[in-house]
Amino acid sequence: GQQLNQSPQSMFIQEGEDVSMNCTSSSIFNTWLWYKQDPGEGPVLLIALYKAGELTSNGRLTAQFGITRKDSFLNISASIPSDVGIYFCAGQRRETSGSRLTFGEGTQLTVNP
Amino acid sequence: DTGVSQNPRHKITKRGQNVTFRCDPISEHNRLYWYRQTLGQGPEFLTYFQNEAQLEKSRLLSDRFSAERPKGSFSTLEIQRTEQGDSAMYLCASSLAPGQGSYEQYFGPGTRLTVT
Repeated sequence: GQQLNQSPQSMFIQEGEDVSMNCTSSSIFNTWLWYKQDPGEGPVLLIALYKAGELTSNGRLTAQFGITRKDSFLNISASIPSDVGIYFCAGQRRETSGSRLTFGEGTQLTVNP
Repeated sequence: DTGVSQNPRHKITKRGQNVTFRCDPISEHNRLYWYRQTLGQGPEFLTYFQNEAQLEKSRLLSDRFSAERPKGSFSTLEIQRTEQGDSAMYLCASSLAPGQGSYEQYFGPGTRLTVT
């Protein structure tokens, strides 16, 4: 079953606002990844983080790998309507679990124009 | 297009029938993963291959499920005697193996299975 707690479950914001979501785990991960999923499609990789404390940006997206290796957050700045979708965090323990990904339950983002 | 592809995109079947899904990974990727996603949840790991070897299976993968990757390229996932609880999106992902560069997993568009 799921091991990651992702919050918030949903967000309703106005276009132009910034968004922040986070993911916490009871255990350590070596890699954190953030994906976006549109209805009826597979998850699309947004950002991958490999080191504790790492802060990485991809356009308007910024994500950080928590120092404890048990959490991560994703920020979206100046949201636009096409940011609508479900955002998933995923953790990976490369050495022990065959590189399987463990996903959070997702944050549903709605952007009002 | 060099991304992960999956076929069919949608499958409707009657309870008790067998179904088979196909996944074609990114060509240079030697790892291939199967996940299952139910409504309102994140994807859950089922199994993965490195080349043609199936290296790990989740407890979610019951005896009715079997996956193959005979030549280390495409993979098939078969579900025998389908049950209504098998209704879900089945996702395939691929990556390089550790030590061969970045090993982020890239997903295909999924196969939506509905068991009636």
